[in-house]
Amino acid sequence: AQSVTQLDSQVPVFEEAPVELRCNYSSSVSVYLFWYVQYPNQGLQLLLKYLSGSTLVKGINGFEAEFNKSQTSFHLRKPSVHISDTAEYFCAVSDRNQGGKLIFGQGTELSVKP
Amino acid sequence: DTGVSQNPRHKITKRGQNVTFRCDPISEHNRLYWYRQTLGQGPEFLTYFQNEAQLEKSRLLSDRFSAERPKGSFSTLEIQRTEQGDSAMYLCASSPGLAGGRATQYFGPGTRLLVL
Repeated sequence: AQSVTQLDSQVPVFEEAPVELRCNYSSSVSVYLFWYVQYPNQGLQLLLKYLSGSTLVKGINGFEAEFNKSQTSFHLRKPSVHISDTAEYFCAVSDRNQGGKLIFGQGTELSVKP
Repeated sequence: DTGVSQNPRHKITKRGQNVTFRCDPISEHNRLYWYRQTLGQGPEFLTYFQNEAQLEKSRLLSDRFSAERPKGSFSTLEIQRTEQGDSAMYLCASSPGLAGGRATQYFGPGTRLLVL
């Protein structure tokens, strides 16, 4: 069965510093990978996705992620964070052979301090 | 494109009561998914539809849960005889298809359920 591991439950960082949120997945088949962001008491907003092609994908709000098939990782990065980036971030994987349902990690709480 | 909408946004009920939530997907999205998210956890898959057909149900979906999508447009999720353990955020998502970019799921704001 597929699973997603987000290696850090909480990441505190100062404003304008770089950040990396780590995500590893387990799967023996080709998958699609996603990062979503969730602000308090809201639904999930798509940040970026990897479907195929270039392993470096760019998303909204200056975020990017790199797909590494050999390490089964999809880490999220931003070179300079803002206070407004404070939120919960979820990594997710889907397998088109299993109906496309998303399997989520436990989430990483990013806290940006001034 | 108005996005995925869910109603109500909040629901407080007493244990043993029935509740029903509604999800309106993005127009022309033929796939609709339900997820449940408890505090401090990632969303967990419950069920999904392709058009009006319910194609998969998670083991999390006990007999007290039922979902429908009668005309392949909006969907309802009903919980009968609610229990305190049902307290969670219920999220709905839709996608235009299954392959490539069409597999991208867009989420609604969620319905937060509190069972007293």
